[in-house]
Amino acid sequence: NAGVTQTPKFQVLKTGQSMTLQCAQDMNHEYMSWYRQDPGMGLRLIHYSVGAGITDQGEVPNGYNVSRSTTEDFPLRLLSAAPSQTSVYFCASSPSGNEQYFGPGTRLTVT
Amino acid sequence: RKEVEQDPGPFNVPEGATVAFNCTYSNSASQSFFWYRQDCRKEPKLLMSVYSSGNEDGRFTAQLNRASQYISLLIRDSKLSDSATYLCVVTWANDYKLSFGAGTTVTVRA
Repeated sequence: NAGVTQTPKFQVLKTGQSMTLQCAQDMNHEYMSWYRQDPGMGLRLIHYSVGAGITDQGEVPNGYNVSRSTTEDFPLRLLSAAPSQTSVYFCASSPSGNEQYFGPGTRLTVT
Repeated sequence: RKEVEQDPGPFNVPEGATVAFNCTYSNSASQSFFWYRQDCRKEPKLLMSVYSSGNEDGRFTAQLNRASQYISLLIRDSKLSDSATYLCVVTWANDYKLSFGAGTTVTVRA
């Protein structure tokens, strides 16, 4: 049981490039979400999903897209990277929406 | 005003000491409350839920004060391994969105 896995662990992008952060969970959780964590600001919700085929915006969705074609996977796409998207990205899953199980994070730098 | 606010600390305490800190929330309709622990450069992990009547988990005690809209965490007999950042989390009924505080850093010294 791997829990929540994220790839890559580190990534450097140039402004304007696009990429996909991968997230997978093997706990059969319906609820999955993406957060970004910046110094002094806490975790902020980007997008979330309450089940396969259902996604919704969180607090800071601009510049990001998500899809949920399976229960296990919830990729996050950066459409055109900007320096303001330099952050640590955490994916999480939950059986109920409350207790969250986080992946190890992706550290993204946009130059 | 942020929905969830925490004193960032750091709280620097000796081993064996008691340390306590609060978290305030702005929405009186807040439903559920949690404390998460985050070690340096690691992912957050659930420490404990916070119940209306207060609850303990070993050396950790959590309290909720709905009238004043804050929750607290108290750590007794601090260990070196308690050094971490503690995140306050608040949710609302029928809403899957969690609000995280920026965290309170605790450093326990030998």
